[in-house]
Amino acid sequence: NAGVTQTPKFQVLKTGQSMTLQCAQDMNHEYMSWYRQDPGMGLRLIHYSVGAGITDQGEVPNGYNVSRSTTEDFPLRLLSAAPSQTSVYFCASRTGKGTEAFFGQGTRLTVV
Amino acid sequence: GNSVTQMEGPVTLSEEAFLTINCTYTATGYPSLFWYVQYPGEGLQLLLKATKADDKGSNKGFEATYRKETTSFHLEKGSVQVSDSAVYFCALSSGDYKLSFGAGTTVTVRA
Repeated sequence: NAGVTQTPKFQVLKTGQSMTLQCAQDMNHEYMSWYRQDPGMGLRLIHYSVGAGITDQGEVPNGYNVSRSTTEDFPLRLLSAAPSQTSVYFCASRTGKGTEAFFGQGTRLTVV
Repeated sequence: GNSVTQMEGPVTLSEEAFLTINCTYTATGYPSLFWYVQYPGEGLQLLLKATKADDKGSNKGFEATYRKETTSFHLEKGSVQVSDSAVYFCALSSGDYKLSFGAGTTVTVRA
């Protein structure tokens, strides 16, 4: 049972480059989210989705784009990378409101 | 809005010591409360949860009790091991689509 799978695990980008972080889950969860983790700040919500075709912004959405064309996949796009986007990114999925989240292994992104 | 405040670290303990990590919250309604653990280089894993007042979550020797009167969900373990070295996050979900996390507490257990 794969759970939540994120790729890549590590990535280095130059300022201004774009890229897509991939996230897939095989648990048929409706809710999926992207978080970034920075030292001393816990996890902050970037974007989330409550089902295929439905997305919304979290706390820190600027510079990121998402789409949800299938239940399984929820990619995160960085439009024009900036050093402030250097972080560890986690994708998570949940069955519904009030339930626990299942996390991927994370993507460590460095923007130089 | 919802928020979680947890004890700042880092915390360094000797093996077999008692561990407490404090967590308090602010939320509307009746939130579900969680503790997550993150081992080095890994994603977050659910450690335990509680969904209503006075519930006690427990797992791997860790316990936390949902205290509505003090809006707290403190994590405890009676005798820690080196393998418990990790970052611990308190989190809540209050009937919406989002999880709110505390800043995380780094725990190091020395042999």
